[in-house]
Amino acid sequence: AQSVTQLGSHVSVSEGALVLLRCNYSSSVPPYLFWYVQYPNQGLQLLLKYTSAATLVKGINGFEAEFKKSETSFHLTKPSAHMSDAAEYFCAVSDLRDTGRRALTFGSGTRLQVQP
Amino acid sequence: DAGVIQSPRHEVTEMGQEVTLRCKPISGHDYLFWYRQTMMRGLELLIYFNNNVPIDDSGMPEDRFSAKMPNASFSTLKIQPSEPRDSAVYFCASSRDRGNQPQHFGDGTRLSIL
Repeated sequence: AQSVTQLGSHVSVSEGALVLLRCNYSSSVPPYLFWYVQYPNQGLQLLLKYTSAATLVKGINGFEAEFKKSETSFHLTKPSAHMSDAAEYFCAVSDLRDTGRRALTFGSGTRLQVQP
Repeated sequence: DAGVIQSPRHEVTEMGQEVTLRCKPISGHDYLFWYRQTMMRGLELLIYFNNNVPIDDSGMPEDRFSAKMPNASFSTLKIQPSEPRDSAVYFCASSRDRGNQPQHFGDGTRLSIL
C-alpha cells in the first residue's frame, strides 16, 4: 500500500527565506505525486504534480519540487517566502499504479508560518 | 471555468437529524470523490464515483453514511442519523479520466453536529 510521510507538522520561516517542506513516499511502483495547498476555510488547491516526466517540477506561486527515486522523496521548495504563502501544505500519492484504485493518499500536512 | 461547487458551506444541526451535503463537479470530469477532514484523522477518502457509478466505498465509516450520483453534474452525501463524531469538513473533488490528472477540490462543507 502507498503511504506518504510529511516531516514536520509546523514549519516557520522568515519572509524572504527559503521554504523547504519535506515529503517521503512509500510505493512499490513509480508513483504519481502531488502537492496541494490549503488556505483557511478553503479547499485544496493543486500546486504541482509529478507524473514521471521531468524530475524537477515547477508549480504555481514560485514553488517547485524534485522527485528523487533513490531517496523516495518529493520535497517542496520555494527560494523566497512571502507572507501570502502561509497555509497548510499536503503531499499526496496516487494509488492508481499500485492498486488500480483511483484515490489519493494524503500526508498529515505541514502548516507553514511566515514571519515578517 | 467554474470549479467544484459544494453546498452548504456550513451546517449546524442536532444529533439524530438527517444531513445532506451537495456537490456539483467540474463539467467534463468523469470522477467524483468525497473526502472527510478532521484534526485527528486528516484527509480520508470516503467514496468515489466513475461516470456516476460508485466504484469504491470502502472508506464510508458506517451504514449511516450514503452517497449518490444521479447524474454527471450532481452528487449527494447523506448522514442519517447524524452523531457528534461526524463533525468534520467534507470535501468533494472531481477529476478527468486519465490517471495522472489531479483532483480538483471544492471549498468544503463544515459540519457541526451538536
